[in-house]
Amino acid sequence: KQEVTQIPAALSVPEGENLVLNCSFTDSAIYNLQWFRQDPGKGLTSLLLIQSSQREQTSGRLNASLDKSSGRSTLYIAASQPGDSATYLCAVPGGSQGNLIFGKGTKLSVKP
Amino acid sequence: NAGVTQTPKFQVLKTGQSMTLQCAQDMNHEYMSWYRQDPGMGLRLIHYSVGAGITDQGEVPNGYNVSRSTTEDFPLRLLSAAPSQTSVYFCASSYSPYRGSTGELFFGEGSRLTVL
Repeated sequence: KQEVTQIPAALSVPEGENLVLNCSFTDSAIYNLQWFRQDPGKGLTSLLLIQSSQREQTSGRLNASLDKSSGRSTLYIAASQPGDSATYLCAVPGGSQGNLIFGKGTKLSVKP
Repeated sequence: NAGVTQTPKFQVLKTGQSMTLQCAQDMNHEYMSWYRQDPGMGLRLIHYSVGAGITDQGEVPNGYNVSRSTTEDFPLRLLSAAPSQTSVYFCASSYSPYRGSTGELFFGEGSRLTVL
């Protein structure tokens, strides 16, 4: 059964720092991996979808990498800003059509 | 620019009452789904649909019904609410599911349900 783990559960950094969020999954036979952002009391916003054939995907200050063989993905945030404060979740397909398995997220706080 | 719209945003029910959470998307997405999010449990799939007239169960379907009569709408019905169904419910959709994946998912803002 696919399991997704995100470490750390919470992270606090000063503004301007570059940071890395980690996501690991137990079954490497995935088609893709998605990173989401969730603000308090809000829904999830898709940040990046990285296909299994890709190693990296970039959007602005965000860069996601995927290493299927090791069961890992990282989300790199450059020059962090207070507006980046949110919970970041990663998710992979669970095998049966329609099921995404989510990690429990990393709660990021960027201090001014 | 509506995307995925959920109503109501907040609801309080008494045990045994029934209600329907509404979900509509205007992106012509084939795939729609319902998740619940609980502290310490993360997001779990309740039901999903890969097109009008087709629905299937997810990880936690008990106590919930769905139907998909149109591409745009995917309502979630609670037939007899229980306190264990207190949660935040999210509807999500994607353009084209393919085997083993949903494609990029777009989420609604959520519906917070409390069952007393």
